Amino acid sequence: DTAVSQTPKYLVTQMGNDKSIKCEQNLGHDTMYWYKQDSKKFLKIMFSYNNKELIINETVPNRFSPKSPDKAHLNLHINSLELGDSAVYFCASSQDLVESYEQYFGPGTRLTVT
Amino acid sequence: AQSVAQPEDQVNVAEGNPLTVKCTYSVSGNPYLFWYVQYPNRGLQFLLKYITGDNLVKGSYGFEAEFNKSQTSFHLKKPSALVSDSALYFCAVRDMDSNYQLIWGAGTKLIIKP
Repeated sequence: DTAVSQTPKYLVTQMGNDKSIKCEQNLGHDTMYWYKQDSKKFLKIMFSYNNKELIINETVPNRFSPKSPDKAHLNLHINSLELGDSAVYFCASSQDLVESYEQYFGPGTRLTVT
Repeated sequence: AQSVAQPEDQVNVAEGNPLTVKCTYSVSGNPYLFWYVQYPNRGLQFLLKYITGDNLVKGSYGFEAEFNKSQTSFHLKKPSALVSDSALYFCAVRDMDSNYQLIWGAGTKLIIKP
């Protein structure tokens, strides 16, 4: 069983479109995250959810909105896609936010905006 | 502000030789340090962490890391490199002042030559 799964794996779309990326974890973890990895492999935290409550909201454009229907799912919705949104987006989860538990990452979604 | 630096973009090692991937950090308070590995087109995988206790931490795949408080370093090591160790390695530190998020280094590409 895949611990953290994301769909789709690849997403190619045009500027201005709206798209969603789904994430599910079957580890029973309380905290989930979204990261953006750019073409230079830099990792940037975008959001985290702890028990369905948004904990971190970095300086991310409000075109990006995380939605968590339950503790096992954290989806990422993106409105009005721009060229600069092209990147690999990773979902991750950890047992807890406060304790220093390791994070488990999904396989990533490669988003290409044309 | 908390920060982490990986001074080498790339490290080249011959198979069978020992390897070191460097990481230095800057935190206020006690550091909570992590190493992750990313294989091509995959998500990140946890290798090891330092929270407290022994300065030498052992992790997955034969890797270990040495915590050095006076030098504010947390270098990743392995006594004998394998070609399959070739990957991108990330050091991270917990930002206890900002919702416990991980602050990531820029990554070091490790190339093991047969």
